[in-house]
Amino acid sequence: EIVLTQSPATLSLSPGERATLSCRASQSLSSYLTWYQQKPGQAPRLLIYGASNRASGIPARFSGSGSGTDFTLTISSLEFEDSAVYYCQQRSNWPIYTFGQGTKLEI
Amino acid sequence: EVQLVESGGGLVQPGGSLRLSCAASGFTFSNYWMSWVRQAPGKGLEWVADIKVDASEIYYADSVKGRFTISRDNAKNSLYLQMNSLRAEDTALYYCATEWDLHLDNWGQGTLVTVSS
Repeated sequence: EIVLTQSPATLSLSPGERATLSCRASQSLSSYLTWYQQKPGQAPRLLIYGASNRASGIPARFSGSGSGTDFTLTISSLEFEDSAVYYCQQRSNWPIYTFGQGTKLEI
Repeated sequence: EVQLVESGGGLVQPGGSLRLSCAASGFTFSNYWMSWVRQAPGKGLEWVADIKVDASEIYYADSVKGRFTISRDNAKNSLYLQMNSLRAEDTALYYCATEWDLHLDNWGQGTLVTVSS
């Protein structure tokens, strides 16, 4: 089973700052890593798929990078609305989907 | 616009059963794999099960295998989750989601299942 470990657990930053969220896999994922954003009381929303591809409607300040076992979600200039929990997810060890435990971002 | 609307949640006693439904609209349902994902109160996301476009492939998380059954009706644009032998640890908000290329691209708002005596 592939385990995804996200860090940090909580990140507190100010508007305009840059956020860097990490997701580390216990085995190589190639580039099949996905990021979601979940705001309080809302369903998760797809942000980044294939490690670096922004989903439709996602602002350009969100970017993803990485391959193998180390992946990063970067938010270049934080806005108050970016406060949320961010999850990474993989399905490289077919057929099981695995999620990381989440990073809570406080602005 | 893609819409996924879950229903069927509620309060059930341990050992009981519930059937969740997900009504899909705004896209060609029969072209998409579909998943159920759950989230226990205050916790993270846990994938539950998914089903291929024609139901020829079905997969479950180990935590629900043998107790839950996923199904779909493409004529009714609907996804289902039959949950039997429910346990307290099955208490969660259950989401349905469309799948594409190893990720979940559209999500419903969820239906809450509470297992308690």
